[in-house]
Amino acid sequence: DVKVTQSSRYLVKRTGEKVFLECVQDMDHENMFWYRQDPGLGLRLIYFSYDVKMKEKGDIPEGYSVSREKKERFSLILESASTNQTSMYLCASSPEFYEQYFGPGTRLTVT
Amino acid sequence: EDKVVQSPLSLVVHEGDTVTLNCSYEVTNFRSLLWYKQEKKAPTFLFMLTSSGIEKKSGRLSSILDKKELFSILNITATQTGDSAVYLCAVPKSRSTLTFGKGTMLLVSP
Repeated sequence: DVKVTQSSRYLVKRTGEKVFLECVQDMDHENMFWYRQDPGLGLRLIYFSYDVKMKEKGDIPEGYSVSREKKERFSLILESASTNQTSMYLCASSPEFYEQYFGPGTRLTVT
Repeated sequence: EDKVVQSPLSLVVHEGDTVTLNCSYEVTNFRSLLWYKQEKKAPTFLFMLTSSGIEKKSGRLSSILDKKELFSILNITATQTGDSAVYLCAVPKSRSTLTFGKGTMLLVSP
């Protein structure tokens, strides 16, 4: 069974704080993704990575950065959290062809 | 730009009813279409339909792909309260990324 885990289920941070969200997968997948999910807007891709140290911007990368130093781990970084980054953050991984496996999500609130 | 549109946005049915969820798409280079079910947390994979596999079935759930008319439907027969969820449709964009529709929220009442 594929397992994707995320470091926190719920997180509350203050405006201006640096926030790290971590994702780990145990299936040796090449690709990893970070999405945010908001009511009425659906799932939107922030960043993805197709190999260690390789990353590409998704549809809404502004205000975020990522790090992939090891194949199993993909981190999302909010350099200076803002209230409009309050959201559900979902990590996913996939092998070569499209079927993505999601983690349980992190609900981040920025106050 | 690739586009995925799902309808209806939400749906309420009674247990035992049959429901049909729709997904239309516009993509530059079609490869496949995927359906996911999202309950309280992470989306879970249901089906992938491709040019060579335009019909899939698993228990009470089935899905077909119409490549000519550019849509897919997800059918659920004899619905149960456990089918209540958001159903997401997605198509690959590039480099293994997916474009998701906004989802259909299904509520099955007892």
